[in-house]
Amino acid sequence: AQSVTQPDIHITVSEGASLELRCNYSYGATPYLFWYVQSPGQGLQLLLKYFSGDTLVQGIKGFEAEFKRSQSSFNLRKPSVHWSDAAEYFCAVGARSGGYQKVTFGTGTKLQVIP
Amino acid sequence: DSGVTQTPKHLITATGQRVTLRCSPRSGDLSVYWYQQSLDQGLQFLIQYYNGEERAKGNILERFSAQQFPDLHSELNLSSLELGDSALYFCASSASTRTGKGGGYGYTFGSGTRLTVV
Repeated sequence: AQSVTQPDIHITVSEGASLELRCNYSYGATPYLFWYVQSPGQGLQLLLKYFSGDTLVQGIKGFEAEFKRSQSSFNLRKPSVHWSDAAEYFCAVGARSGGYQKVTFGTGTKLQVIP
Repeated sequence: DSGVTQTPKHLITATGQRVTLRCSPRSGDLSVYWYQQSLDQGLQFLIQYYNGEERAKGNILERFSAQQFPDLHSELNLSSLELGDSALYFCASSASTRTGKGGGYGYTFGSGTRLTVV
C-alpha cells in the first residue's frame, strides 16, 4: 500500500522568501503525485500533478514540484511567497488498487506567511 | 466554483440524530469520494463510488453509509451521531475510468459540509 509523509507540520516564511515543502512517498511503482492547497474553511484545490514525463512540473499560482525517484520525494517549491499563499498544503500519492485509483493524502503542512 | 457541489454547508444537530449530506460531482465525473477532516484525525478517506457502485472503503464507521444515484449525485448518511463525529465532510469527484486510467487527473473537491454535533 502507498503512503505519504509530510515531515513538517508548520512552516513560517517571510513574504517574498522562497518556499519548499517536503513530501516523501512510499509506493512500489511510479505513482501519481499531487499537491493540493486548502484555504481556511475551503475544500482542497489541486495545485499540480505528476504521473510521467518531465520530472519538474509547473502548477497554478506559481508553484512547481520536482519528482525525484531516487529520493522518493515530490517537494513543492515557490520562488517568492505571497501573503495569500498562507494555507495548508497536502501532498498525495495515487496508485491503482483493484483496477481503480486510490489516492492517499499526507497529514498536511500549514504555511504561515509573515510580512 | 470547483464544479463539485455540497449541501448543506453547515449542519448543527444533536447527539443520536441522523443527517444526510449531499454531493453533486463535477459534470462528466463518474467517481465520487467522501472524506472526513477533523483536527485530530486529519483527512480520512471514507468511501468511493464509481457510476453507482461502491468501489473502495476506508475508515468509514458502521453508523455511516453512502450511495451514488443514477444521476451520479451521492449522499452520505450519518446516524446515531456522536460528539466525535463533528468534522468537515468533503466530497470529491474524478474522471477516473473503470480501468483505473484517468486517475491521474486528480480529484476535484467540494467546499465541504461542516457538521457540528452538540
